[in-house]
Amino acid sequence: DTAVSQTPKYLVTQMGNDKSIKCEQNLGHDTMYWYKQDSKKFLKIMFSYNNKELIINETVPNRFSPKSPDKAHLNLHINSLELGDSAVYFCASSLPPGELFFGEGSRLTVL
Amino acid sequence: GQQVMQIPQYQHVQEGEDFTTYCNSSTTLSNIQWYKQRPGGHPVFLIQLVKSGEVKKQKRLTFQFGEAKKNSSLHITATQTTDVGTYFCARTYNTDKLIFGTGTRLQVFP
Repeated sequence: DTAVSQTPKYLVTQMGNDKSIKCEQNLGHDTMYWYKQDSKKFLKIMFSYNNKELIINETVPNRFSPKSPDKAHLNLHINSLELGDSAVYFCASSLPPGELFFGEGSRLTVL
Repeated sequence: GQQVMQIPQYQHVQEGEDFTTYCNSSTTLSNIQWYKQRPGGHPVFLIQLVKSGEVKKQKRLTFQFGEAKKNSSLHITATQTTDVGTYFCARTYNTDKLIFGTGTRLQVFP
């Protein structure tokens, strides 16, 4: 069983479109995250949810909207996609301040 | 600030050579974590260091936490091609926020 799973693994879309990435964890963790990894491999935190409640919201354009229907799921919706949104988006979960368990990543390419 | 800097950014070594990556912070760290990301993969947790001056070993990997808890290092002895990847340190900020270092990309030539 995959501990943190996210779908889809690959997204190719046109500028201006809207897309969503889904994430689910079966580890029983209370905290989930979205990280963005750019082409230079920098891993930047975007959002963090604890038990469905938003606790971290970094300086991210409001075109990005996370949603947590329950503590095992954290989805990411992106409106009006731009070229600069192309990246790998990683979902992760943890029992802070312990280790993060990452999903396999969703590679988004905006054309 | 929150950021942790890692050096070097890239390292190419011949198989069998040693490798070290360094992680530096301007502020005292409560703990430091290390992750490895294989090419095309996702970050995978390696270890967490908490105590000042702590040294931990995992086979050929040696992790150190500085006495002042402002820096850390990861040393790999006798690298193998399976060590290829990007190594990240990460610091905890406000308990539940993990901030990653800039990463060191290791390439090992056979």
